[in-house]
Amino acid sequence: AQSVTQPDIHITVSEGASLELRCNYSYGATPYLFWYVQSPGQGLQLLLKYFSGDTLVQGIKGFEAEFKRSQSSFNLRKPSVHWSDAAEYFCAVGGGADGLTFGKGTHLIIQP
Amino acid sequence: NAGVTQTPKFRILKIGQSMTLQCTQDMNHNYMYWYRQDPGMGLKLIYYSVGAGITDKGEVPNGYNVSRSTTEDFPLRLELAAPSQTSVYFCASSYRPTGMNTEAFFGQGTRLTVV
Repeated sequence: AQSVTQPDIHITVSEGASLELRCNYSYGATPYLFWYVQSPGQGLQLLLKYFSGDTLVQGIKGFEAEFKRSQSSFNLRKPSVHWSDAAEYFCAVGGGADGLTFGKGTHLIIQP
Repeated sequence: NAGVTQTPKFRILKIGQSMTLQCTQDMNHNYMYWYRQDPGMGLKLIYYSVGAGITDKGEVPNGYNVSRSTTEDFPLRLELAAPSQTSVYFCASSYRPTGMNTEAFFGQGTRLTVV
């Protein structure tokens, strides 16, 4: 069965500092990987996705993620965070008709 | 540019009451999904549908029912509400199975409290 692990429940970063959110997956075939962001009281917005090809993918809002098959990881990064990046971030893996499997999320707090 | 629309946004139910969470999409997507989100637990799949007239159970289907009579609509029914069903519910849709070079689009969610 597929699964996603986000090891960090909460992360606190100072505004302007760099960010890395970790994601490890377990999937039997070629994984299709996603990062979603959820602002308070809002739905989920897709930040970026990996299907194949270049292992470094660019997304919206200045985010990027790197797929590392050998480490079963798909970590999300941003060089310099803004206060508006405070949100819940979800990593997900998909590949079948039965939807996505999500991690438990990482809550990002931005310190001024 | 509606996308996936869920109604209502908020609802309080008493134990034992029933209700239907509505979900409609205007993207002509075949695949639709219902998830529930509990604090610290991520999103878990309740039911999904691969087209009109075809539905199947997800990871946590107990206490819920769905139907899919049209491509656009995928309502979620709670027959006898229980406190364990207090959650935020998200509906999503996709053109193809999520992961097949496609993404899922999510509604804004329905926050349900059962008291």
